[in-house]
Amino acid sequence: DAGITQSPRYKITETGRQVTLMCHQTWSHSYMFWYRQDLGHGLRLIYYSAAADITDKGEVPDGYVVSRSKTENFPLTLESATRSQTSVYFCASSDGYVGNNEQFFGPGTRLTVL
Amino acid sequence: DQQVKQNSPSLSVQEGRISILNCDYTNSMFDYFLWYKKYPAEGPTFLISISSIKDKNEDGRFTVFLNKSAKHLSLHIVPSQPGDSAVYFCAGIDGSARQLTFGSGTQLTVLP
Repeated sequence: DAGITQSPRYKITETGRQVTLMCHQTWSHSYMFWYRQDLGHGLRLIYYSAAADITDKGEVPDGYVVSRSKTENFPLTLESATRSQTSVYFCASSDGYVGNNEQFFGPGTRLTVL
Repeated sequence: DQQVKQNSPSLSVQEGRISILNCDYTNSMFDYFLWYKKYPAEGPTFLISISSIKDKNEDGRFTVFLNKSAKHLSLHIVPSQPGDSAVYFCAGIDGSARQLTFGSGTQLTVLP
């Protein structure tokens, strides 16, 4: 499928478990981003990547790990999930970082940590 | 401390009328602003943007106004259509940090 996809779309896990959310884009965009959306907070940047093997922290990186071995994939791992990480997670990609470079968002992953 | 605030969580408007969504910001370093639209179970999609050197940008039914002295921007939709019913996010870009900072969103409902 063309565009940006996320998997799984829904995930329920337990506190302390490791969870990986997948993101895949077919545009060969150099930049990729992970956001979380919580009520009252809008979308907050967790991590971003400017290219393969280059990643950097966003506003709320604690408890998350990212990697980018291939341009098209940008997985997000919660190494030991906590209830506060219950959220909707959005992946996005763009040609450039911000400004005139539009970010294209995936459909989101709804994660529940019990 | 929220740098971008959308104080109205929801707004209802009659079809054909104008919808006005408001956004306030506190970061003087923002040099670019964007509006995103989000339907349920989908990711946000870009709607319209404005540079801080302008005070108005128009695209079809959508117009964004920027008042830098008041640190306020608004999105006008005229005429409103039922398909416009969605959550609208305002976002600012910090010229130095180069990150998007989003507001909490406003749910717009356009009644037929």
